[in-house]
Amino acid sequence: GENVEQHPSTLSVQEGDSAVIKCTYSDSASNYFPWYKQELGKGPQLIIDIRSNVGEKKDQRIAVTLNKTAKHFSLHITETQPEDSAVYFCAASGLFGNEKLTFGTGTRLTIIP
Amino acid sequence: GAGVSQTPSNKVTEKGKYVELRCDPISGHTALYWYRQSLGQGPEFLIYFQGTGAADDSGLPNDRFFAVRPEGSVSTLKIQRTERGDSAVYLCASSLWGAPSVEQYFGPGTRLTVT
Repeated sequence: GENVEQHPSTLSVQEGDSAVIKCTYSDSASNYFPWYKQELGKGPQLIIDIRSNVGEKKDQRIAVTLNKTAKHFSLHITETQPEDSAVYFCAASGLFGNEKLTFGTGTRLTIIP
Repeated sequence: GAGVSQTPSNKVTEKGKYVELRCDPISGHTALYWYRQSLGQGPEFLIYFQGTGAADDSGLPNDRFFAVRPEGSVSTLKIQRTERGDSAVYLCASSLWGAPSVEQYFGPGTRLTVT
């Protein structure tokens, strides 16, 4: 089955700086790669996603890059703000994208004011 | 509109007891997913439904776990003979199968504590 690894487990950045979180996956059949943000006591919330036929996607301060050959993808947050502090999870899913998600172990991001 | 709701928000039970966790998906969403999240870990897939039928139950850890979705809307996750290792947050998600977006919308979870 699919295995997703995520690094780093914790990340602290100064407000206004950029943050990068990286993930690798094992199953070459995976086709859909979402990123979720989870705040304390809440369920995960999708912040951006990408499919394997796209190398990069951007939404305001958030971008995701995908290298399908190397089987890794990354989340980039620019101009970080205190409200970006949360736990971030990468995930991978199969061909159609609406099968089960396999999650990474999470990155706790802290923005230092 | 209303998101995914889960009840109860917290459940404390004694080892060996039976529990039911309920999930109300977003209205009209045909796919429903159950995940389990242990402290400091990512959500772990348990089962998902397409309509009333279980499309993939490969994540259920053993036969003490069972889930139903009899009318294709509300789902119940049932755990028999609970063990302390079952303690976790149980998350439910729903999505609109076949839509251009396949986003899974998560509920707030039910925190299960087995004493």
